[in-house]
Amino acid sequence: GAVVSQHPSRVICKSGTSVKIECRSLDFQATTMFWYRQFPKQSLMLMATSNEGSKATYEQGVEKDKFLINHASLTLSTLTVTSAHPEDSSFYICSAGGTANTEAFFGQGTRLTVV
Amino acid sequence: DAKTTQPPSMDCAEGRAANLPCNHSTISGNEYVYWYRQIHSQGPQYIIHGLKNNETNEMASLIITEDRKSSTLILPHATLRDTAVYYCIVWAWEYGNKLVFGAGTILRVKS
Repeated sequence: GAVVSQHPSRVICKSGTSVKIECRSLDFQATTMFWYRQFPKQSLMLMATSNEGSKATYEQGVEKDKFLINHASLTLSTLTVTSAHPEDSSFYICSAGGTANTEAFFGQGTRLTVV
Repeated sequence: DAKTTQPPSMDCAEGRAANLPCNHSTISGNEYVYWYRQIHSQGPQYIIHGLKNNETNEMASLIITEDRKSSTLILPHATLRDTAVYYCIVWAWEYGNKLVFGAGTILRVKS
């Protein structure tokens, strides 16, 4: 089946620095990718929808200047957490889909810890 | 906002069938019912999806009511490894549509 690869799986960074998370669709082209964050014992919360070649659409309450999303190609979307703070520590997950009547595929997630 | 309602938790005995219900009374005509599960600290895993007919694959069966307002995911012989959070999602794969998760059901399979 189709695979979505997310990198890195774990990252620890210092407060004030920026972290980039990559999401790649390995064997299909994804015009749309979704980015989520998940806090312990909670469901996935949609942060933004990333569309290839255009600006991302952010959910209400998500700071677009803090969570920079770039979808430069049909197989790669990146999420950059800028000026990270401890409250940004979370599990970040990406998803990509293909066409109608196919499922969306999820990356394995990235555990971000800001110290 | 999520368009589905699921019970927060369920228990199932190992080897027995696990039946997980989902209500989606506002489902649109072009929206599919998708089921995913998430094991701790992993990305969601696809299980099955359907539009209006019942579906079966190697993992599970999906029963959708005739009016499409509810569905049931059936794991025929639950094992301890099936312990996870199960998410029911209604979604149409069209430009601009968001893939939104609800709270899901925590399934605990017990020996």
